[in-house]
Amino acid sequence: DTGVSQNPRHKITKRGQNVTFRCDPISEHNRLYWYRQTLGQGPEFLTYFQNEAQLEKSRLLSDRFSAERPKGSFSTLEIQRTEQGDSAMYLCASSLGPGSTDTQYFGPGTRLTVL
Amino acid sequence: AQKVTQAQTEISVVEKEDVTLDCVYETRDTTYYLFWYKQPPSGELVFLIRRNSFDEQNEISGRYSWNFQKSTSSFNFTITASQVVDSAVYFCALGGDTSGSRLTFGEGTQLTVNP
Repeated sequence: DTGVSQNPRHKITKRGQNVTFRCDPISEHNRLYWYRQTLGQGPEFLTYFQNEAQLEKSRLLSDRFSAERPKGSFSTLEIQRTEQGDSAMYLCASSLGPGSTDTQYFGPGTRLTVL
Repeated sequence: AQKVTQAQTEISVVEKEDVTLDCVYETRDTTYYLFWYKQPPSGELVFLIRRNSFDEQNEISGRYSWNFQKSTSSFNFTITASQVVDSAVYFCALGGDTSGSRLTFGEGTQLTVNP
């Protein structure tokens, strides 16, 4: 099986710019998750999708963040008007579903640096 | 609220030593799930094990073993005869019926195995 893939792997941007990340889950996995990980910390939950429906969002997901999964396959995470505090690793995971606690398998992450 | 504590920030051992990584959790859920993930320098979180709260049987997989004790809310991870390739950050994570699909991660333990 092909694992979870994320693109790009690295992104450097200037403060105020918009950025978009893509995640392709494991084939046939219904659930897709986004987490954020800052240096020296564990991943923190941002949001998740069951097929194309976004079912839960963390309070960490400010109005500048938007996530979509238009056809229930890949997902995009967009950050508008980036701030230096957005610098982090953005991790995507997928699980088979529909169980809420199925094992989540993670991708390699997108490392964002905001200058 | 759920919480995971990994009190050991960094551990350094010499190859072939045994090492135990501690994980203590807090949850009000009666049914919950515990996970260990490995994060090598490449950044990808690699799933190691999942344990359900109703299954306290310990598990061994090769050089890895896990000790789950509900009485002390602990889920410790032991690597026997450590190898240099075991060097990574290890995360303990918790999911539960009332937390939806989000996993709560500890802050991780950086394990360095020296030759």
